[in-house]
Amino acid sequence: SQQGEEDPQALSIQEGENATMNCSYKTSINNLQWYRQNSGRGLVHLILIRSNEREKHSGRLRVTLDTSKKSSSLLITASRAADTASYFCATDAGGSEKLVFGKGTKLTVNP
Amino acid sequence: ETGVTQTPRHLVMGMTNKKSLKCEQHLGHNAMYWYKQSAKKPLELMFVYNFKEQTENNSVPSRFSPECPNSSHLFLHLHTLQPEDSALYLCASSQVRAGGDTDTQYFGPGTRLTVL
Repeated sequence: SQQGEEDPQALSIQEGENATMNCSYKTSINNLQWYRQNSGRGLVHLILIRSNEREKHSGRLRVTLDTSKKSSSLLITASRAADTASYFCATDAGGSEKLVFGKGTKLTVNP
Repeated sequence: ETGVTQTPRHLVMGMTNKKSLKCEQHLGHNAMYWYKQSAKKPLELMFVYNFKEQTENNSVPSRFSPECPNSSHLFLHLHTLQPEDSALYLCASSQVRAGGDTDTQYFGPGTRLTVL
């Protein structure tokens, strides 16, 4: 079964609102990453949080990590129509050159 | 631009054709990856090359044949594909540290493959 699973699968909000996406994983990790993908394009790295970190910020993005619950959340504040994309979490499955991706959350921000 | 380029961006091929996808990274990374992305499925890792050596073949059918001549270039040779192989094929690179721990992966824009 896949390592990372995002929740919800789809999210539709209005511009200016906050968007929260969650990710759960199964095995121990060294780091967890969030990526964004515009339709039919490559993935773009957003933020990496290490297993000894609990929270990380980058602009309007805030990521939390709870290793005891094996879960992470991505918060996008003051969303914009340009934030419309699919968002994926990926884990390194405990120290590996590989990343394992979830199915993603499709975010739609309506103007 | 992520520093990873892929060509072609779109490819339509018949089931009896032979074609190749090309990926090039300009980031000085030591690992390169091929992924397959189909509709409504998670991103599937196909192959991993670390220092030009293949370290992962994720049960990929032999009709997909990777080649990594150096740490900057990665190819995916395709032959006798099936319609279900139609997907977005993504290449990525990263810098793998001692012990195998990986950092950020940088993705190319992908090749949209359609098999008729």
